[in-house]
Order: sequence, then structure tokens, then C-alpha cells
Amino acid sequence: SQTIHQWPATLVQPVGSPLSLECTVEGTSNPNLYWYRQAAGRGLQLLFYSVGIGQISSEVPQNLSASRPQDRQFILSSKKLLLSDSGFYLCAWSGGALRYFGAGTRLSVL
Amino acid sequence: GQSLEQPSEVTAVEGAIVQINCTYQTSGFYGLSWYQQHDGGAPTFLSYNGLDGLEETGRFSSFLSRSDSYGYLLLQELQMKDSASYFCAVSAYSSASKIIFGSGTRLSIRP
Repeated sequence: SQTIHQWPATLVQPVGSPLSLECTVEGTSNPNLYWYRQAAGRGLQLLFYSVGIGQISSEVPQNLSASRPQDRQFILSSKKLLLSDSGFYLCAWSGGALRYFGAGTRLSVL
Repeated sequence: GQSLEQPSEVTAVEGAIVQINCTYQTSGFYGLSWYQQHDGGAPTFLSYNGLDGLEETGRFSSFLSRSDSYGYLLLQELQMKDSASYFCAVSAYSSASKIIFGSGTRLSIRP
């Protein structure tokens, strides 16, 4: 069966520091992968999605970037974090019209 | 573009039935799905409708009317553990790799 791993679970970073969140998927090949962000008490905002290695589509212009160096690895990065980057970051893979989420990373930028 | 509307909050009593509505606007509609998210946790898939009608999965059912651009999630025999946020999500042919989530409905269960 497919599993999705995301780490770390919690992260506290100062403003202006870099960010790297990693997500890996097991049990499937060539998955579509997604990064979402959820502000407290709000819905899910799609940040990036990838249909294959090196293929990244950005949905929201911001100081975040994504990369897919391997088939089952998806990385979310930032060179300099802003206060507004705080939130719950979720990696997901798709099974057709459905989404299966990792456990998420709660990022606090102070 | 795509947009969804669902109530922000719903309160119900343990053992009762509750319905969470979702209306959507999209071109090239493909399907409507529902997700549950407990506080601090990740969303988990509950139900999917690609065709009109009712889909039943245990205590949860989901309904879709494509002509009305409307769906709902029905939760029966409510339990305290059902207290969570519920999101509807729409997928469209025009963006097969993407689905759009509603802003979520927070369901609170009272004893």
C-alpha cells in the first residue's frame, strides 16, 4: 500500500532563515505530488504540484519554491522566511481525483 | 475558475443526524470529494461522488446533483469523535492534476 512521509512534524524558525521541508512517497511510482498550506482555521491552499521529476507548477507567487529531485521525493524550500509563511504545510499525492495527505509540518516563523 | 461554498460552522447533538452542504462553480466538473480533518491532524478522505446520487460508507453518506452544482455530506448516529472540520473539494477536467478545496465546515458535537 502507498504511504507518504513528511518531516519534521513541527518547526520553529526565525524570520529570514531558510526552509526545507521534505516529503517522500512509498508504494507507488510516478505519483502526482502536491504541497498545500493551511492557515489556522482556514482551508487548504495549493502551493505547488508536480507530475514528474523536475516538473513543478506554481499556483501562488511567493517566496517559496519546490523541487522534485527524485520520482518519489518532493521538497518545499525558502531562502528567507517571512512571518506570513507560518502555517500547516501538507504534502499529498493523488489517486485520481482524490488526495492522500502526509501528517503535515506545523511551521511557526517568529 | 473554480469556487466552493460550505457553511463555516455546524453544531449537532450526539446520536443525531447532520447534513453539511456544498455548492460549487466550475467548468468541466469531474467529481466532488469530502475530507475530514481533526484538530492538529491532516485531512483524510471520506467520500467521493463522480455521478449523481448517494454514496454510502457506514455512518457517512455523500450526495451529488450535477445539475444543481450541489452536494452534501450526511453524518448519522453522530459520535463525539465526529467533531472535526469537513472539507468538500471539486476536481475538473480542465485541471486534471488539481482539485480545489472549500474553506471547511467545523462540526461541533454536543452531548
